Amino acid sequence: AQSVTQLDSHVSVSEGTPVLLRCNYSSSYSPSLFWYVQHPNKGLQLLLKYTSAATLVKGINGFEAEFKKSETSFHLTKPSAHMSDAAEYFCVVSGRNYGGSQGNLIFGKGTKLSVKP
Amino acid sequence: DAGVIQSPRHEVTEMGQEVTLRCKPISGHNSLFWYRQTMMRGLELLIYFNNNVPIDDSGMPEDRFSAKMPNASFSTLKIQPSEPRDSAVYFCASSSTGQRDGYTFGSGTRLTVV
Repeated sequence: AQSVTQLDSHVSVSEGTPVLLRCNYSSSYSPSLFWYVQHPNKGLQLLLKYTSAATLVKGINGFEAEFKKSETSFHLTKPSAHMSDAAEYFCVVSGRNYGGSQGNLIFGKGTKLSVKP
Repeated sequence: DAGVIQSPRHEVTEMGQEVTLRCKPISGHNSLFWYRQTMMRGLELLIYFNNNVPIDDSGMPEDRFSAKMPNASFSTLKIQPSEPRDSAVYFCASSSTGQRDGYTFGSGTRLTVV
């Protein structure tokens, strides 16, 4: 079965400092992994995705994530936080397939990122 | 492309009333998903369709919930009768290639049942 664990429910950083949001996954096959961002009172936006190509994935707004199979991790990073990065971030793993049908995405509980001036 | 369109954006209703949430997926997407988001339970998949056919409705909480997809461009999620514990944000998402490329989410419907 597939599952995803976001290790921190809340992360607080100062503007201009690095961001690290941690995610570990469990999958019985080679997974697809995603990070989504949700700003307050908004829908979810795809930040980046890993689908078995390059292990270092670059996304929008300067975010990137590295797939590490040996550590079953897919941590999200950004070198320098901006006030507009304050949001909730979800790590997501692809679910099981139903034969040829499409499965579903399994969401982590989310990490709320606060950015202090 | 207008993205995934959900209506209404906000709905306030009294307990016992019927509520219908609507979703228009992105044209050409053949999978559609309904999610519910609450503080307590986070994001939960309720049901998803592939080529207008319901594939997995195991996340639908009770018989009070039903979902339909009469054609490729429209889906509804109905709650009848509604209860205060149904208060949540309901998201619709669509995809053309399944989980390998991720989903595009709508802006959600915030439902409040009083």
